[in-house]
Amino acid sequence: KAGVTQTPRYLIKTRGQQVTLSCSPISGHRSVSWYQQTPGQGLQFLFEYFSETQRNKGNFPGRFSGRQFSNSRSEMNVSTLELGDSALYLCASSSGQNSNYGYTFGSGTRLTVV
Amino acid sequence: GESVGLHLPTLSVQEGDNSIINCAYSNSASDYFIWYKQESGKGPQFIIDIRSNMDKRQGQRVTVLLNKTVKHLSLQIAATQPGDSAVYFCAETPIQGAQKLVFGQGTRLTINP
Repeated sequence: KAGVTQTPRYLIKTRGQQVTLSCSPISGHRSVSWYQQTPGQGLQFLFEYFSETQRNKGNFPGRFSGRQFSNSRSEMNVSTLELGDSALYLCASSSGQNSNYGYTFGSGTRLTVV
Repeated sequence: GESVGLHLPTLSVQEGDNSIINCAYSNSASDYFIWYKQESGKGPQFIIDIRSNMDKRQGQRVTVLLNKTVKHLSLQIAATQPGDSAVYFCAETPIQGAQKLVFGQGTRLTINP
């Protein structure tokens, strides 16, 4: 079956702009989580959505937001981009049930802010 | 606070040797631990997981050991191959049922021919 699909793969944006990233989970998975990966901070949890509701949130400023659609596809948005937002943004999907933590990651979107 | 750390940022081994990658975690209430492998340009790939009620779990060429007393996790890779070269991350779920992973900083494993 198809894996987790993230689009676009690469993005270059200017400071102050906003950006929207997309994630399509594995078919049947209802939970989508987002992570930011940087060389300095490593992999950090942004937020998790399940059935169109944000269920968990990490310690990121309000410029980072997300949403999930009825087909479980998710988007994350970063407004007023800063140079420090340059990172690999990863999406992971899972069934979302407490007894099953099978997370599958996509290949990520590489965001560069100039 | 929540943090998962790794003892070494880099590890270099000879092809065919066994590799051991270590990880220390700080949250004694953590319920579930996962090892991921990340190759250049790709997202993390699941290797093996273990729940807090277990001490050891084996997969194909990999073994994860969990020592809850000292909050230590290790990944053993047997007979390492060139394809094992990657960055390895440990991750934990700090709260039971929470769909959230706390990752360590990663160890870069290099296999020498």
